[in-house]
Amino acid sequence: GAVVSQHPSRVICKSGTSVKIECRSLDFQATTMFWYRQFPKQSLMLMATSNEGSKATYEQGVEKDKFLINHASLTLSTLTVTSAHPEDSSFYICSARDGRKTQYFGPGTRLLVL
Amino acid sequence: TQLLEQSPQFLSIQEGENLTVYCNSSSVFSSLQWYRQEPGEGPVLLVTVVTGGEVKKLKRLTFQFGDARKDSSLHITAAQPGDTGLYLCAGGQGGSEKLVFGKGMKLTVNP
Repeated sequence: GAVVSQHPSRVICKSGTSVKIECRSLDFQATTMFWYRQFPKQSLMLMATSNEGSKATYEQGVEKDKFLINHASLTLSTLTVTSAHPEDSSFYICSARDGRKTQYFGPGTRLLVL
Repeated sequence: TQLLEQSPQFLSIQEGENLTVYCNSSSVFSSLQWYRQEPGEGPVLLVTVVTGGEVKKLKRLTFQFGDARKDSSLHITAAQPGDTGLYLCAGGQGGSEKLVFGKGMKLTVNP
């Protein structure tokens, strides 16, 4: 099946710093990738839709200047959490959509902001 | 806002028992996916159903899409400890690329 990777899997950073998370589709091209956030014992909340070669579309309530998304190629999207604060600590998951519109998820990135 | 309600939200059963998870909505979806997620990992796709009334089987798992494409069920036969995890349903609309997720059903199968 289709494989999506995320890097890093875990990151701890100090408050005020920025953190970049990479999402790669390893064996297929994805014109569209999605970024989700998941709090403990809760479901996935869509943050934004990342389109290759164009600006990301953010969900209501998600600050685009805080969560910068770049989809520079058909296999890579990045999410940068700028000026991270403890309330940004969460599990961030990306997914990549294949040609048949199926979403395949990455393994997630655990972010802890101290 | 489209909502997907999953029930039950939690279930703890003994190995060998059967169970059914329900995913209901007042909205019509063009497709419905079921995922299983383990702690600290991303969701893993189990199945996609697209046709009203469709039934798909994956070993001991049986998935059904409602005739009106508003609801779905997942039935597990003879549950095993390895089935433990969070089961998520997600609905897609034809005109949108987004998925709407249910809150999930946390299953624990005790040996």
